[in-house]
Amino acid sequence: EAGVTQSPRYAVLQEGQAVSFWCDPISGHDTLYWYQQPRDQGPQLLVYFRDEAVIDNSQLPSDRFSAVRPKGTNSTLKIQSAKQGDTATYLCASSFNWGGGDTQYFGPGTRLLVL
Amino acid sequence: GEQVEQLPSILRVQEGSSASINCTYENSASNYFPWYKQEPGENPKLIIDIRSNMERKQTQGLIVLLDKKAKRFSLHITDTQPGDSAMYFCAASYNVLYFGSGTKLTVEP
Repeated sequence: EAGVTQSPRYAVLQEGQAVSFWCDPISGHDTLYWYQQPRDQGPQLLVYFRDEAVIDNSQLPSDRFSAVRPKGTNSTLKIQSAKQGDTATYLCASSFNWGGGDTQYFGPGTRLLVL
Repeated sequence: GEQVEQLPSILRVQEGSSASINCTYENSASNYFPWYKQEPGENPKLIIDIRSNMERKQTQGLIVLLDKKAKRFSLHITDTQPGDSAMYFCAASYNVLYFGSGTKLTVEP
């Protein structure tokens, strides 16, 4: 079974530039999560979807970050006008069900460096 | 929400000894407690988890204990090997995962 895939693996930006991250969850997983993991810290949830619906985006900096999952499969996380404080690894995860008790499988992540 | 505290942040042990990592949580509604291992440049990988209807779970040299009254759970790695060296994260969940800040475990030969 293929795992969660993400692209790109690395991105280097100047402040003010935009970037998009793409995630393909495990087939059949209806719940998809985006996490931000600063260096030497634990992952912090940004947003999660059940199918195409946003369930919780309260931790997403809405003025510059956006996330979509239009067909309930792949998802895109976009940062408009990146800041140095956005430097982190962005992890996508998926689970079969939502509700908290289902195992989440993580993709390899996208390492973002904002100069 | 939920707040998860994880200690210690750095742990060094000798090969063959045990290593213990402790986490506390605040929300009594949390009912699922996974542990993830993350190696440099890699994604977090689930190594063991425990649900609130259990107090202890053991698999392949790993033991997880859960004390719901104290809102505390812990990971114990028995007979550590250099390959166990990594970052370890605990998490607590009642709807989404809330992660601790991580423990950097180094197993010295």
